[in-house]
Amino acid sequence: DVKVTQSSRYLVKRTGEKVFLECVQDMDHENMFWYRQDPGLGLRLIYFSYDVKMKEKGDIPEGYSVSREKKERFSLILESASTNQTSMYLCASSRTGGMNQPQHFGDGTRLSIL
Amino acid sequence: TQLLEQSPQFLSIQEGENLTVYCNSSSVFSSLQWYRQEPGEGPVLLVTVVTGGEVKKLKRLTFQFGDARKDSSLHITAAQPGDTGLYLCRGNTGKLIFGQGTTLQVKP
Repeated sequence: DVKVTQSSRYLVKRTGEKVFLECVQDMDHENMFWYRQDPGLGLRLIYFSYDVKMKEKGDIPEGYSVSREKKERFSLILESASTNQTSMYLCASSRTGGMNQPQHFGDGTRLSIL
Repeated sequence: TQLLEQSPQFLSIQEGENLTVYCNSSSVFSSLQWYRQEPGEGPVLLVTVVTGGEVKKLKRLTFQFGDARKDSSLHITAAQPGDTGLYLCRGNTGKLIFGQGTTLQVKP
């Protein structure tokens, strides 16, 4: 079974802090994704990566950056956290082979910015 | 902006009832997927539909893709408490778009 592991289930940080969310997958998937999930808004794509050191902006990249130094690890960085970034963050991975490939999700990190 | 509208947003029913949730758009999708997300977990893929008019069954769940590939439905027969969760559709227009989800609560 594919396993996508997010480093923290819950995280509380302060406004202005630099925040790192880590995600690791164990199935050698090429593609990795970061979403945020807010009530009534569904999942919105922040960034995705289709290869090591490659990244593409999603629909809401402002205030975020990402890093993919190794194939299995994809990090989301909040450069200077703000209260409107309080949300559930979901990481996903999929293999290359078209957009019908299933995405495998981690269990999420619930981030609160105070 | 491409949108996927899911309805209803919330549904609370008794065990044994039937229900249908909908996923609609003005865009044509080359494929559409349904995911279920249980509390405290990430979404898990249930099914992918590709062909207009396609019907797929997964035990008590029936998924249909509209003939014009702009809409889809998920029908659950004799719902059980284990069906409780958030149901998300995800469409592919060359870009992947998630609907906002339908929260289903099945009471024993």
